Amino acid sequence: DARVTQTPRHKVTEMGQEVTMRCQPILGHNTVFWYRQTMMQGLELLAYFRNRAPLDDSGMPKDRFSAEMPDATLATLKIQPSEPRDSAVYFCASGLDRVNTEAFFGQGTRLTVV
Amino acid sequence: GENVEQHPSTLSVQEGDSAVIKCTYSDSASNYFPWYKQELGKRPQLIIDIRSNVGEKKDQRIAVTLNKTAKHFSLHITETQPEDSAVYFCAASIVGTALIFGKGTTLSVSS
Repeated sequence: DARVTQTPRHKVTEMGQEVTMRCQPILGHNTVFWYRQTMMQGLELLAYFRNRAPLDDSGMPKDRFSAEMPDATLATLKIQPSEPRDSAVYFCASGLDRVNTEAFFGQGTRLTVV
Repeated sequence: GENVEQHPSTLSVQEGDSAVIKCTYSDSASNYFPWYKQELGKRPQLIIDIRSNVGEKKDQRIAVTLNKTAKHFSLHITETQPEDSAVYFCAASIVGTALIFGKGTTLSVSS
């Protein structure tokens, strides 16, 4: 059963610390998305990669967030420095744009910044 | 860019009743409209989707309708059951691009 894998599942950190979240997309998928989920804003798109190239990161605060795909099996989302307002669940999703655009979600990383 | 509005934000129904959730989108180029269900503490999962060349699609107790002229689409759940209780998200995109989600509808089905 192919699944998107995210680590860590939970992270509690102090304000100002660097946070790195990792995602392993489903093997063979060529699109990767990062979403942030909060009660107030729902699922917000942060970044989107196709074939490892960033296509859209307009939803991401550029001064503190960065997203990369070092290789086809790993996507990372970093926050430096973290702030309490970054507390949310961060989801990674992957898909195959030549077939359809169903996005398969990982289990998410619940981030708490204190 | 695309903007998706979803209503209502909460919906409470009795078991066996029907539930309808409505969404509107802004980008007329969007051609893919999925619906995701998210149970408490779980990941969003696709339950049904529709493409712009189809006006209606049905899968057992759930159906989705699309009106491209008016730029709105709806999710219909018939004969609701307690296990239908969850948050439902609509989304829109152009095939191959990122999904833009509505803010979700919390459906509660009471027995």
